Amino acid sequence: NAGVTQTPKFQVLKTGQSMTLQCAQDMNHEYMSWYRQDPGMGLRLIHYSVGAGITDQGEVPNGYNVSRSTTEDFPLRLLSAAPSQTSVYFCASSYRDDYYGYTFGSGTRLTVV
Amino acid sequence: AQSVAQPEDQVNVAEGNPLTVKCTYSVSGNPYLFWYVQYPNRGLQFLLKYITGDNLVKGSYGFEAEFNKSQTSFHLKKPSALVSDSALYFCAVRGPYSGGGADGLTFGKGTHLIIQP
Repeated sequence: NAGVTQTPKFQVLKTGQSMTLQCAQDMNHEYMSWYRQDPGMGLRLIHYSVGAGITDQGEVPNGYNVSRSTTEDFPLRLLSAAPSQTSVYFCASSYRDDYYGYTFGSGTRLTVV
Repeated sequence: AQSVAQPEDQVNVAEGNPLTVKCTYSVSGNPYLFWYVQYPNRGLQFLLKYITGDNLVKGSYGFEAEFNKSQTSFHLKKPSALVSDSALYFCAVRGPYSGGGADGLTFGKGTHLIIQP
């Protein structure tokens, strides 16, 4: 049982480059979300999805796109990387109406230079 | 909008002593409250939750939390701290599921818990 798998674990980008952070879960969770973690800021919600084909914006969506074509996958796309997007990104999933807590991936540490 | 406050950036406790990590929240309707722990270079791990029922909630690794509706607090506690409890702790809140609009957990900024031998 793999849980939530994020790839890559580390990435360095140049300003203006684009990339996709991958997130996959094998628990048949309807709800998936992306957070970024910055020192002293806690975790801030970027985008979330309550099911395949449905996505919505969170607190800090600018500069990021998401799609949910399958229940298992929820990739996060950086369209044109900026130094302000240097952060640690976490993907999380849960059952939609189940409040047993989220399952988090191990994170992607992204540096934009 | 929902929010969470963790007033202490860092809490220092001697091993064997009781510990408390504070959390207050603001949310419309009945809250769903969570505590997560993060060890260095790791993702967040679920510790415990309050949904409804008994105000004292027991979770993993001997931790418990007390829900106080009048004070809008959900403090994390442990009777006897271990050095291995040293980590970053996050409190999180979620309002009643609405089926649309803003969703997801809102996290506090985290509290570094340091247990000294």
